[in-house]
Amino acid sequence: EAGVAQSPRYKIIEKRQSVAFWCNPISGHATLYWYQQILGQGPKLLIQFQNNGVVDDSQLPKDRFSAERLKGVDSTLKIQPAKLEDSAVYLCASSWAWGTAGELFFGEGSRLTVL
Amino acid sequence: KQEVTQIPAALSVPEGENLVLNCSFTDSAIYNLQWFRQDPGKGLTSLLLIQSSQREQTSGRLNASLDKSSGRSTLYIAASQPGDSATYLCVVGGETSGSRLTFGEGTQLTVNP
Repeated sequence: EAGVAQSPRYKIIEKRQSVAFWCNPISGHATLYWYQQILGQGPKLLIQFQNNGVVDDSQLPKDRFSAERLKGVDSTLKIQPAKLEDSAVYLCASSWAWGTAGELFFGEGSRLTVL
Repeated sequence: KQEVTQIPAALSVPEGENLVLNCSFTDSAIYNLQWFRQDPGKGLTSLLLIQSSQREQTSGRLNASLDKSSGRSTLYIAASQPGDSATYLCVVGGETSGSRLTFGEGTQLTVNP
């Protein structure tokens, strides 16, 4: 079974530039999450999708972050414009179940450095 | 609001030692609890998932227990190896449909050869 795929693995940009991250969850997984993990901290939820609908985006900085999950499969997370404090690893995770019921699987993450 | 605490924050042990990592949570209304390991620069790898109706789960040298009423879970690692060095996180899934997954801050384990 293929795991959660993320790209790019690494990205370095200057502040005020834009960046996009892509995630392909495990086939058939209904729930998809984007997390931000700053060095030395636990992951922080940015957005949760159930199929192609948003379940929770309360912690997404909507003035600069956006995410979509077209057709309930792949997802893209965009940051525009980036700030220094956005430097972090962006983790995508998926689960077969609705809500919190299922086992969670993570991708390798996309490491963003903002200069 | 659910809070998840992991103690200790860091642990260093000699190879071969048996060890216990602790995870406590404030709201016992949970659906499940999952243990992950995270290697530097990598994503999280699932180790064990315990449903709220279960008391423990085992996989190889790992054993995770769950005591919902007291809000505690432990991850037991037998005969530790240098390859076990990583950060271990516990994640709690809330019971209601609108609940969020809550992460602990992790325990950084170093197993010395």
